[in-house]
Amino acid sequence: KAGVTQTPRYLIKTRGQQVTLSCSPISGHRSVSWYQQTPGQGLQFLFEYFSETQRNKGNFPGRFSGRQFSNSRSEMNVSTLELGDSALYLCASSLLAGLETQYFGPGTRLLVL
Amino acid sequence: DQQVKQNSPSLSVQEGRISILNCDYTNSMFDYFLWYKKYPAEGPTFLISISSIKDKNEDGRFTVFLNKSAKHLSLHIVPSQPGDSAVYFCAVPRRSGNTGKLIFGQGTTLQVKP
Repeated sequence: KAGVTQTPRYLIKTRGQQVTLSCSPISGHRSVSWYQQTPGQGLQFLFEYFSETQRNKGNFPGRFSGRQFSNSRSEMNVSTLELGDSALYLCASSLLAGLETQYFGPGTRLLVL
Repeated sequence: DQQVKQNSPSLSVQEGRISILNCDYTNSMFDYFLWYKKYPAEGPTFLISISSIKDKNEDGRFTVFLNKSAKHLSLHIVPSQPGDSAVYFCAVPRRSGNTGKLIFGQGTTLQVKP
């Protein structure tokens, strides 16, 4: 079974731009969560999607948004990029929402200049 | 407010010896704990978990111990191998109804020297 895939793997943007990241969960998994990893804040939860609905949201500004499609694939969008948005964005999938064990993709490394 | 704490940012051990990674938590209601391993440029990989009804869970070279009274868990790797060099995160799932998220510690970088 293929693991969680994320595209693109690396991205360079400038301040003020917007970016869309994509995640394909493990086949059969219906829940997708997004996390941000930075050196200062560690791994922090962004949001969780299940059945095309956002079920849970972390403490991030409204510039961070996401969606999930009927095939469980998910995208997250960051608008009006700031330098502090430079981070590794990780997607994780699990069979159902709220399950303990989540399986992570390789991440998208975003650099904002 | 850090609910899950890994107070040692780094640990260095010799190949073949035991590695002990520690994690403390603040909420006695936490009932499930996970350890993830992360290599650079990769996502975290699930390693081992433990439920609060147990005080020990073993999987090959990896054993996790849970001390509920001290709100402390530890991951033991025996024997340590150079390929174990990575960042180790402890994590706690926080469930709310039918949704959940993982709360991670800050991570401990383990270096196993040949």
